[in-house]
Amino acid sequence: AQSVAQPEDQVNVAEGNPLTVKCTYSVSGNPYLFWYVQYPNRGLQFLLKYITGDNLVKGSYGFEAEFNKSQTSFHLKKPSALVSDSALYFCAVRGLISSGSARQLTFGSGTQLTVLP
Amino acid sequence: KAGVTQTPRYLIKTRGQQVTLSCSPISGHRSVSWYQQTPGQGLQFLFEYFSETQRNKGNFPGRFSGRQFSNSRSEMNVSTLELGDSALYLCASSLDRGGGRPQFFGPGTRLTVL
Repeated sequence: AQSVAQPEDQVNVAEGNPLTVKCTYSVSGNPYLFWYVQYPNRGLQFLLKYITGDNLVKGSYGFEAEFNKSQTSFHLKKPSALVSDSALYFCAVRGLISSGSARQLTFGSGTQLTVLP
Repeated sequence: KAGVTQTPRYLIKTRGQQVTLSCSPISGHRSVSWYQQTPGQGLQFLFEYFSETQRNKGNFPGRFSGRQFSNSRSEMNVSTLELGDSALYLCASSLDRGGGRPQFFGPGTRLTVL
């Protein structure tokens, strides 16, 4: 079964500093990978995805993510954090195998990012 | 283009009752998925519908059911509510079932079971 691990429940960073939110995954074959952000009392907003190709993926609001196949990681990054980036971030994976549970989008447990002014 | 809409936004029910939640996907999107979000269990997949057919189902009891209409709108139903069903229920739509398609989420329905 596929799975996603977000090893840090909470990440604190000062405004203007670079931020990294970590994600590792387990899936049969090649993965589709996604990052979402959730603000309080809201649904999830899509940030970016990796399908194939360049290992550095750029997304919304200045976020990017680096795919590392050997380390099965897909860390979310931003060069300069804003207070408004404070939110709950979710990594998700879907397998390429087009059957059964592999087709589900499996989410990590989430990482609460707090950007301190 | 309007986003995914869910109604109602908030719901309070008592144990044993049943509830129906509604989701309208983004125009042109044909795949609708439902998730349950709780502080303890995180985001858990309930089911996915495409072309009015359930294509995938998560590990939830049969009290949880859903359906999709010809206009891609979807409903989910929970019968015989239990206290543990209190959660944020999220609906997400995507253009089709392509693996690389991102899902776009609605604001959710907050269900409280007393």
